[in-house]
Amino acid sequence: GGIITQTPKFLIGQEGQKLTLKCQQNFNHDTMYWYRQDSGKGLRLIYYSITENDLQKGDLSEGYDASREKKSSFSLTVTSAQKNEMAVFLCASSPGLGSAETLYFGSGTRLTVL
Amino acid sequence: QQKVQQSPESLIVPEGGMASLNCTSSDRNVDYFWWYRQHSGKSPKMLMSIFSNGEKEEGRFTVHLNKASLHTSLHIRDSQPSDSALYLCAASHYAQGLTFGLGTRVSVFP
Repeated sequence: GGIITQTPKFLIGQEGQKLTLKCQQNFNHDTMYWYRQDSGKGLRLIYYSITENDLQKGDLSEGYDASREKKSSFSLTVTSAQKNEMAVFLCASSPGLGSAETLYFGSGTRLTVL
Repeated sequence: QQKVQQSPESLIVPEGGMASLNCTSSDRNVDYFWWYRQHSGKSPKMLMSIFSNGEKEEGRFTVHLNKASLHTSLHIRDSQPSDSALYLCAASHYAQGLTFGLGTRVSVFP
């Protein structure tokens, strides 16, 4: 088995601030993802990466940057935090990108912007 | 518009009862459907997946798929309080990440 570690667990920022969220996995999976979850609702894909140094935009990439410098890590940057924004950011990984791949999720980073 | 539509938004089920959840994709390229379960304050975990027409059963959980209508359903029989969670349906096709629906929140009361 493996584990996905997200840091920090809680992140409080100011409006306009640049904020970075980190994710590490030890599954040795090729593909990693960042999802955003609002108010206990569905997940929206922000970015994904199929291998080291690869980046693919999801439906919600506007306002975010991502970086995959190592196979095991995937970071997400909120380029300018929006006032009153509250969401949980979930990192996930899968062995590959095929239809049949199960995603494994980290426990999330909860963002609050004051 | 959501590419993956789930209904109902929420469901209250008595302990021992049957819960039925629905999910439809509007993307004709999808070839796999997934059900993930997320308990409150926890991360989603894969529950079941299906890619061929018909039915698949695992314990108290049964998934149906109709590929022509891109509709899948999840049925939980003999519901337990521990089944109370957000159930997320997702659809995937080759070379793209999963697209999730907004979820159905299931509450099982004793």
